[in-house]
Amino acid sequence: RKEVEQDPGPFNVPEGATVAFNCTYSNSASQSFFWYRQDCRKEPKLLMSVYSSGNEDGRFTAQLNRASQYISLLIRDSKLSDSATYLCVREAAGNKLTFGGGTRVLVKP
Amino acid sequence: DTEVTQTPKHLVMGMTNKKSLKCEQHMGHRAMYWYKQKAKKPPELMFVYSYEKLSINESVPSRFSPECPNSSLLNLHLHALQPEDSALYLCASRPQVQGAYSGSPLHFGNGTRLTVT
Repeated sequence: RKEVEQDPGPFNVPEGATVAFNCTYSNSASQSFFWYRQDCRKEPKLLMSVYSSGNEDGRFTAQLNRASQYISLLIRDSKLSDSATYLCVREAAGNKLTFGGGTRVLVKP
Repeated sequence: DTEVTQTPKHLVMGMTNKKSLKCEQHMGHRAMYWYKQKAKKPPELMFVYSYEKLSINESVPSRFSPECPNSSLLNLHLHALQPEDSALYLCASRPQVQGAYSGSPLHFGNGTRLTVT
């Protein structure tokens, strides 16, 4: 099993709709998680860190479920500009940060 | 704007060439990273430097040679590359704290798009 796994999608989302997707991880010792977005041919950009209690930043909500070993990202009121690949990142001990395969989201008018 | 600067933005090199990729940050971050990203794939970790010492080498072939001359600079020396090494090479940094986990996100540069002919 891969360390960090994501549904590759694409998730085709009508503009204004809500979309949610998960990222599962295999190492229960993982401590920190992050969501990045990446646009085509650009570098990944931090979307949000994921805290144990869950956190929200505007239209974006991240949750961590340690018992089931997954994190989630929910996007409300989707905008065309939300179209991107969303990458989850897991921090392991010793500075190792591993990316999931990414989930592609396409928001359509 | 990015606080991690990578040069060059694009590089085309032959299989017998020697070239170097450069990365610079002035955020005081003491952990610096090289990732390789192929098209439609996620970034793949290559090397990690912590306090200017190599702490992780993900079994990268020796034709890639990293160097961290000081706390702000990270280089990746390239020699005798293969066409399959063509990819986007991403440098990243983050604060280094004591303990097993930093909890800090990575800050990425714009990347160097490398083509090996």
